[in-house]
Amino acid sequence: KQEVTQIPAALSVPEGENLVLNCSFTDSAIYNLQWFRQDPGKGLTSLLLIQSSQREQTSGRLNASLDKSSGRSTLYIAASQPGDSATYLCAVEFDSGYALNFGKGTSLLVTP
Amino acid sequence: SQTIHQWPATLVQPVGSPLSLECTVEGTSNPNLYWYRQAAGRGLQLLFYSVGIGQISSEVPQNLSASRPQDRQFILSSKKLLLSDSGFYLCAWRSGTANEKLFFGSGTQLSVL
Repeated sequence: KQEVTQIPAALSVPEGENLVLNCSFTDSAIYNLQWFRQDPGKGLTSLLLIQSSQREQTSGRLNASLDKSSGRSTLYIAASQPGDSATYLCAVEFDSGYALNFGKGTSLLVTP
Repeated sequence: SQTIHQWPATLVQPVGSPLSLECTVEGTSNPNLYWYRQAAGRGLQLLFYSVGIGQISSEVPQNLSASRPQDRQFILSSKKLLLSDSGFYLCAWRSGTANEKLFFGSGTQLSVL
């Protein structure tokens, strides 16, 4: 079964810290991987998409990396701010599939 | 630019009542459309996806159904709701082109009582 796992489930950091969110997946045959942000009671917003041929993608203070061989991706957030508080979800499109498989997310709280 | 509309935002329905949730996409043609459900502690579960009008694929056997009567319209339905149907329902779309981002609607919080 193709699964996506995110650890930790929750994380609390003081404002200004750099942090890393982790995502692992069970099958290295992937098409792409996306990181999303979800605010409470809202839909998901796509942050970054990494194609299987890429190693990383950057957008502002966010950097996502992909290591297909080890089945891992990380989302690095630099100089965290209280506005970064949200749930971050990792989603993988496997080669054998047609839709994204989501992890359960990491709930991030950045305290002032 | 492309936008996705999903309604209603919240819905409270009694057990056994019917359901109809609607999703429309603007600014694109022939999108791939998806219905996901998010239940507390369970992550997002893919319910249905569609690659074209009248083409629906179901991921999870249940008492829900989906239809795509028009290119940019996706409807989630049930004839009789169960308590277990409660959850946050999300519609999403993406281009049929490879390696495109997935865009979500704002979601419908359904409570079945």
